[in-house]
Amino acid sequence: GESVGLHLPTLSVQEGDNSIINCAYSNSASDYFIWYKQESGKGPQFIIDIRSNMDKRQGQRVTVLLNKTVKHLSLQIAATQPGDSAVYFCAENSGGTSYGKLTFGQGTILTVHP
Amino acid sequence: DAGITQSPRHKVTETGTPVTLRCHQTENHRYMYWYRQDPGHGLRLIHYSYGVKDTDKGEVSDGYSVSRSKTEDFLLTLESATSSQTSVYFCAMTRDRSPISGNTIYFGEGSWLTVV
Repeated sequence: GESVGLHLPTLSVQEGDNSIINCAYSNSASDYFIWYKQESGKGPQFIIDIRSNMDKRQGQRVTVLLNKTVKHLSLQIAATQPGDSAVYFCAENSGGTSYGKLTFGQGTILTVHP
Repeated sequence: DAGITQSPRHKVTETGTPVTLRCHQTENHRYMYWYRQDPGHGLRLIHYSYGVKDTDKGEVSDGYSVSRSKTEDFLLTLESATSSQTSVYFCAMTRDRSPISGNTIYFGEGSWLTVV
């Protein structure tokens, strides 16, 4: 079936560096994408979202890029901090009955070293 | 907090016993969802509801049933628990059918279920 996957399962960076987390998706009908952060023992925490009619969206210290041609999504975190250490998931929705029906990627573990 | 709670938060049960997890919301959101998360995986959709008494299957629905008799409660039942159902279960809710930009899919804190 359709799925969303990640290129890199782990990413280790130094504090202050910029981080880039990548995600590939296979469902060409996907029209809404979300990045989540998950800390140990907690539920997913919304970071940023983007709709398929956009190719870039910026938030506070984060930017999401969407390349529909190659079905690729990325999350850029500027000036990464130790508090950013977590598992990051991309998720997509292909519309239908509700947009809470999400397909998640496997996740990327981001470790930020002081 | 987004007004969504799960209970129990932790449970250990024996193989073959029935288990019910409860998701309760105070936001009057129409749509509710149950996901499971296993080590090394993202969340996978089990069942969802688009209104009272309206439910449908997700990606991994085998072995699970749900009920929604009230807007605020969405119950997930394992009729006869198996070890493969050991997982973390997350409930979620949304108000609308179409996404409005921003944080509008609210997740609960999770229920850790161990089947021994």
